[in-house]
Amino acid sequence: KNEVEQSPQNLTAQEGEFITINCSYSVGISALHWLQQHPGGGIVSLFMLSSGKKKHGRLIATINIQEKHSSLHITASHPRDSAVYICAADPDGNQFYFGTGTSLTVIP
Amino acid sequence: EAGVTQFPSHSVIEKGQTVTLRCDPISGHDNLYWYRRVMGKEIKFLLHFVKESKQDESGMPNNRFLAERTGGTYSTLKVQPAELEDSGVYFCASSQDIPGGGTVHSPLHFGNGTRLTVT
Repeated sequence: KNEVEQSPQNLTAQEGEFITINCSYSVGISALHWLQQHPGGGIVSLFMLSSGKKKHGRLIATINIQEKHSSLHITASHPRDSAVYICAADPDGNQFYFGTGTSLTVIP
Repeated sequence: EAGVTQFPSHSVIEKGQTVTLRCDPISGHDNLYWYRRVMGKEIKFLLHFVKESKQDESGMPNNRFLAERTGGTYSTLKVQPAELEDSGVYFCASSQDIPGGGTVHSPLHFGNGTRLTVT
């Protein structure tokens, strides 16, 4: 059983569409991370959340601590948003439990 | 199926010593990645193997770090000599290649990490 489950595994969208990626976790956390992996494997940290909602440009991340669920939204999607998005639960400020990632392809 | 396993789970060494971390990917996974998280900071990519070849090692911080994947199975990451700033958690992940898969994503499977403390 995975501590972190993401859905969908693969997602294809038309440019301009609103996108939602979901993450459910079963462990207690101090924070929840959203990461973006580029084709070569490099990872960029998008958000670190412990409650509520955060926004950065066209990206929005929300978390519901009671339901142990987080979502990553992308508004007005663009082909350059194409990447793998990974959710990671952080129990103690140092460890991670990773989801298996959501591969997003945005078609022009 | 067995998941990605990493050994050891914890390692405490003194500055100047050598440590070797090991990652056993899921059997049949050609892609193997190393990442690390230095205390409380964001996770950073180190390198990517496809089978035994280094596809991308742009994240390796310096020549004190050496990664190998002989035979395309397990991988080792050696730090020699270790410095204080090398302390952190080192993660390994693996995924399958999907022939002709294009943009279809093969799920990443992460190990539990090795917590390295350099004193």
